[in-house]
Amino acid sequence: AQTVTQSQPEMSVQEAETVTLSCTYDTSESDYYLFWYKQPPSRQMILVIRQEAYKQQNATENRFSVNFQKAAKSFSLKISDSQLGDAAMYFCAYRSPRHMEYGNKLVFGAGTILRVKS
Amino acid sequence: GAGVSQSPSNKVTEKGKDVELRCDPISGHTALYWYRQSLGQGLEFLIYFQGNSAPDKSGLPSDRFSAERTGGSVSTLTIQRTQQEDSAVYLCASSSSQVAAGELFFGEGSRLTVL
Repeated sequence: AQTVTQSQPEMSVQEAETVTLSCTYDTSESDYYLFWYKQPPSRQMILVIRQEAYKQQNATENRFSVNFQKAAKSFSLKISDSQLGDAAMYFCAYRSPRHMEYGNKLVFGAGTILRVKS
Repeated sequence: GAGVSQSPSNKVTEKGKDVELRCDPISGHTALYWYRQSLGQGLEFLIYFQGNSAPDKSGLPSDRFSAERTGGSVSTLTIQRTQQEDSAVYLCASSSSQVAAGELFFGEGSRLTVL
């Protein structure tokens, strides 16, 4: 079974600074998908960024980018120019390529609370 | 609807009672997922529906938990004889099965408190 590990329960960053959230995963599959989701206090999960494992290029979405190291099974999230609105719980998630069996089911890590200081 | 809708938003019940949690997915989304999030924890997968059938119900923690989906739309998660350890936020998500690696769209969850 696939597992996702987020080793940082909590991180802090100064407004306008850069912060990196870590994620590692374990799988024997090859063409999988990785995601970062954000959960603000409203509880609604919001997709931040996604990465297809077959793509070597790291995904970017505005201030958010990832460092995908397939051999190391590492998928970190970098947030540049941090804003107060970035404060939330961030979850790393894995999706199997076995779509027929699992659909878009995600396996989540335990999450990292990000605090942004003004 | 515009987004995934869940009800009730909050539910307080006594130990031993049955509860029903409802999820109304985004219109046209054929796939529906239930997750459980205990306080300060990650999301624990419960069950996946494709249409009205559940190809993967491997995450249901005990036979006190069941879920159904009717008309390929609304889903109900039922917890019988609730226990204190069932206290958590229950999140529902839906996705379009037509899109590979499609995004999961989540509702705001139902917070269950068992006294």
